[in-house]
Amino acid sequence: DTAVSQTPKYLVTQMGNDKSIKCEQNLGHDTMYWYKQDSKKFLKIMFSYNNKELIINETVPNRFSPKSPDKAHLNLHINSLELGDSAVYFCASGPGPGAYEQYFGPGTRLTVT
Amino acid sequence: GESVGLHLPTLSVQEGDNSIINCAYSNSASDYFIWYKQESGKGPQFIIDIRSNMDKRQGQRVTVLLNKTVKHLSLQIAATQPGDSAVYFCAVNAGGTSYGKLTFGQGTILTVHP
Repeated sequence: DTAVSQTPKYLVTQMGNDKSIKCEQNLGHDTMYWYKQDSKKFLKIMFSYNNKELIINETVPNRFSPKSPDKAHLNLHINSLELGDSAVYFCASGPGPGAYEQYFGPGTRLTVT
Repeated sequence: GESVGLHLPTLSVQEGDNSIINCAYSNSASDYFIWYKQESGKGPQFIIDIRSNMDKRQGQRVTVLLNKTVKHLSLQIAATQPGDSAVYFCAVNAGGTSYGKLTFGQGTILTVHP
């Protein structure tokens, strides 16, 4: 069984469009994260939710809006896509906000043209 | 600001050799340190972690060493295999109440030649 899954795996879209990435975990974890990995492999946290509550909100353009309908799901909606948004976006989950061992999904490669 | 860096961005070894990947961090309040392995096209995968009350921890073929005095940690992989080829990241927490926030290093590309 897949522990952390993301859809879609690849996303190619044009500038100005709005797109969403979905994430689901079946590990029973309370905390979920969104990370962005750029072309140089640099991995940076964007958001974290604990039991549907936003607990980490890094300096990210407000075009990015996470939503957690329940603790097993965390979606990322991006408005007015820009070229610089092209990256691989990873979802991760962890047992709780005080625990650091995080389990990552396979990633969504977003290409904005 | 907090930064986490690596001394070597790439490491090339022969199969069977031991590998050592280094990481420096800047935040003296960090008390949790973790190593991840990322294979091509996949998400990072947990390898081993260590807390600041320890200076060494061993897993299967891997050992993490922590030197808090100089803010340095390393990952040692024994008898490196081609399947160990990947990008390796160290990550550290911010210390205190940081809600699981990890700061990742830039990554080291490990290539193992048969």
